[in-house]
Amino acid sequence: AQSVTQLDSQVPVFEEAPVELRCNYSSSVSVYLFWYVQYPNQGLQLLLKYLSGSTLVESINGFEAEFNKSQTSFHLRKPSVHISDTAEYFCAVSYSGGSNYKLTFGKGTLLTVNP
Amino acid sequence: KAGVTQTPRYLIKTRGQQVTLSCSPISGHRSVSWYQQTPGQGLQFLFEYFSETQRNKGNFPGRFSGRQFSNSRSEMNVSTLELGDSALYLCASRGGSNPNYGYTFGSGTRLTVV
Repeated sequence: AQSVTQLDSQVPVFEEAPVELRCNYSSSVSVYLFWYVQYPNQGLQLLLKYLSGSTLVESINGFEAEFNKSQTSFHLRKPSVHISDTAEYFCAVSYSGGSNYKLTFGKGTLLTVNP
Repeated sequence: KAGVTQTPRYLIKTRGQQVTLSCSPISGHRSVSWYQQTPGQGLQFLFEYFSETQRNKGNFPGRFSGRQFSNSRSEMNVSTLELGDSALYLCASRGGSNPNYGYTFGSGTRLTVV
């Protein structure tokens, strides 16, 4: 069965510090990988995605994630966080072929940026 | 371009009642998916509709059902509500089956069953 593991349920950091949110997935087939962010009382917003090509993908607000096929990982990083990055982050996977209609999500990582 | 619109935003229902949630996708999007989000189980796939046809259903009891109309708007129905159905229900739409399209999520309907 498809599964996504986010290794940390909560990550507290200080403002301007670097952060890494970890994500591993289980799969033996081609995958598409996503990071979504959820602010309180809101839906999910797509942060970045890996479909194919370069294994390093970036978002417009300074986040980046690297697809590592051998380690089945897609960790999210930011070199310097802001208070406004406080939110819950979800890693998700969908699979190529006929089953790419759904996303399988991890349990989420709550990133709290403290001043 | 308007986003995905879900109504109502908040809902309180009593055990045993039924509820209908509505989702209007982005104009031109024919695929609509529904997810349930709870603190314990996280985000779980309910079902997806494409051009009025349900393409697949997640692992939920038959009390959860849905449909899609010709204008791509979708409704989700939960009958005989249980306390455990309290959750944030999220709808997402995308322009096609190709993952390049990506999913756009609405703000959700928060259902509380008392």
